[in-house]
Amino acid sequence: GENVEQHPSTLSVQEGDSAVIKCTYSDSASNYFPWYKQELGKRPQLIIDIRSNVGEKKDQRIAVTLNKTAKHFSLHITETQPEDSAVYFCAASNGGSYIPTFGRGTSLIVHP
Amino acid sequence: SAVISQKPSRDICQRGTSLTIQCQVDSQVTMMFWYRQQPGQSLTLIATANQGSEATYESGFVIDKFPISRPNLTFSTLTVSNMSPEDSSIYLCSSSEGVGDTEAFFGQGTRLTVV
Repeated sequence: GENVEQHPSTLSVQEGDSAVIKCTYSDSASNYFPWYKQELGKRPQLIIDIRSNVGEKKDQRIAVTLNKTAKHFSLHITETQPEDSAVYFCAASNGGSYIPTFGRGTSLIVHP
Repeated sequence: SAVISQKPSRDICQRGTSLTIQCQVDSQVTMMFWYRQQPGQSLTLIATANQGSEATYESGFVIDKFPISRPNLTFSTLTVSNMSPEDSSIYLCSSSEGVGDTEAFFGQGTRLTVV
């Protein structure tokens, strides 16, 4: 089955800096790579996703890149703000399986 | 986007008792998933629930401890049975509107404390 590794487990940055979270996956059949943000005490929510036919996707301060050959994808947050502080999960899945495989999560702390 | 309502949001239970968590989806979905999450930690899949069949459990989770019902395409329950303090955790239900390559939606979570 799919295996998703996520690094780092904790990331501490100063407000205004950039943050990068990286994930690798093992199943070459995976074709959907979402990122979820979970604020303290709340449910995980999708912030951005990318499909395997695209190499990069941006949404304001958030971007995701995908390297299918190397089987890794990354979340980039620019100009970080204290409200970006949360746990971020990557995931990988494909249309043949209903079950997404999640990374272990990254706790992002943005210091004002 | 689908919306999942989960209840209760939190509970404090005596050891040896059982708690049933309910999830209601505002649209019909094929699969529902139940996760356990320690605060600040990763999501651990307990089981996958498909309407009309028995749930499929992940390694380390058994039906006698975590019975699941899926009576229709919009509803599921997870029971945590014969609870011990080790069962204290956050329990989340999840689903998606399509097959695996679509966004997952989550319930609000149930914070369970067993005393």
